[in-house]
Amino acid sequence: EVQLVESGGGLVQTGGSLRLSCAVSGFTFSSYNMHWVRQAPGKGLEWVSYTSSSSSTIYYADSVKGRFTISRDNAKNSLYLQMNSLRDEDTAVYYCARGGSFMDVWGQGTTVTVSS
Amino acid sequence: QLVLTQSPSASASLGASVKLTCTLSSGHSTYAIAWHQQQPEKGPRYLMKLNSDGSHTKGDGIPDRFSGSSSGAERYLTISSLQSEDEAEYYCQTWVTGMGVFGGGTKLTVL
Repeated sequence: EVQLVESGGGLVQTGGSLRLSCAVSGFTFSSYNMHWVRQAPGKGLEWVSYTSSSSSTIYYADSVKGRFTISRDNAKNSLYLQMNSLRDEDTAVYYCARGGSFMDVWGQGTTVTVSS
Repeated sequence: QLVLTQSPSASASLGASVKLTCTLSSGHSTYAIAWHQQQPEKGPRYLMKLNSDGSHTKGDGIPDRFSGSSSGAERYLTISSLQSEDEAEYYCQTWVTGMGVFGGGTKLTVL
């Protein structure tokens, strides 16, 4: 069974840092591009970041550029999102998703709350 | 700037059909999109990829009740024989080099 399981969310102070993880199983992780997508409370989905299968191509939304870093460890079947200089508006459920142009498998999400 | 526009809400009766619309902004009418479903308190689920010619590829386990079609800059998701579990938010999504784009979502209420 294909599974994506996020972890690492929690409550953090404004300006703080947090590292999210996404553990995958049921498919050959190293062959797939991956995304992070977030959803603020009561809002829609917002794309955050993308990495190609080999990490050779990486993109970020303007709202997180310079503060967030996406990475992956293909040997550990894991995707990461390092979030620094967190702002109140980064409060959201963060999902990892498999796919290139289109996300075809999603995790259940991990909640990040940023508060002063 | 590519924008995907969706109506905020839709409703239809149990057992009926409903057609949701996602409109691509001017100049982007040939783009393919994906439809995703998000049931209350759950993560999103991929439904299908929908091309500009109306051909579509559904995700694993997606019932035949879900289908897609296209006309110009509009991309449609039709759900037939509505069931209570179809009550959810539906998002369209596409990709412009270097950026993922989501529509604002349509909240479907099954009456």
